[in-house]
Amino acid sequence: QEKVQQSPESLIVPEGAMSSLNCTFSNSASQSIWWYQQHPGKGPEALISIFSNGNKKEGRLTVYLNRASLHVSLHIRDSQPSDSAVYLCAVSNYGSSGNKLIFGIGTLLSVKP
Amino acid sequence: DPKIIQKPKYLVAVTGSEKILICEQYLGHNAMYWYRQSAKKPLEFMFSYSYQKLMDNQTASSRFQPQSSKKNHLDLQITALKPDDSATYFCASSQTVNQDTQYFGPGTRLLVL
Repeated sequence: QEKVQQSPESLIVPEGAMSSLNCTFSNSASQSIWWYQQHPGKGPEALISIFSNGNKKEGRLTVYLNRASLHVSLHIRDSQPSDSAVYLCAVSNYGSSGNKLIFGIGTLLSVKP
Repeated sequence: DPKIIQKPKYLVAVTGSEKILICEQYLGHNAMYWYRQSAKKPLEFMFSYSYQKLMDNQTASSRFQPQSSKKNHLDLQITALKPDDSATYFCASSQTVNQDTQYFGPGTRLLVL
């Protein structure tokens, strides 16, 4: 069974700083890697996904994937207080029975004004 | 307008009882899912459906039964409730069961006493 580990458990950054979140997964054959944002009492919301080795940038978000080291990271440039939330890393496990997401336990990001 | 509706938002049940969690999506998607989020644990995949047919079942217990009466509905019936079933249950949907973005509902928080 795929395992997804996230670090750090929590992160506090000042407004305007870069936030860096890490995720490792156990299966090099895993398909897409997703990052979701979850605010308290809400459902997860997809932010960005990556499939190929390398990086992908969308707005203030950049994600880096290194399949050889089974590592993916999310970087949030110019962090804002509204970015404060739990960030979930999820690995897409796609096969003959369809797709399911395997999630990590999350990183709690707090952005201080 | 919310695109994925889950009802009720909160649910309190007694041990041994039966409850149905409701999910409706208005995104025009063909695949629907159930996930569970227990305290201190990662979001956990339970079921996936495609065109109202069960694709994958990762729950060990037959006490959990999804029901799809319409293409955009996927309810979850839980029988013989146990305190360990206390969790937030999220419904999700995607265009297909391929590696499309999964959109999550707001969740139903279940407490079993």
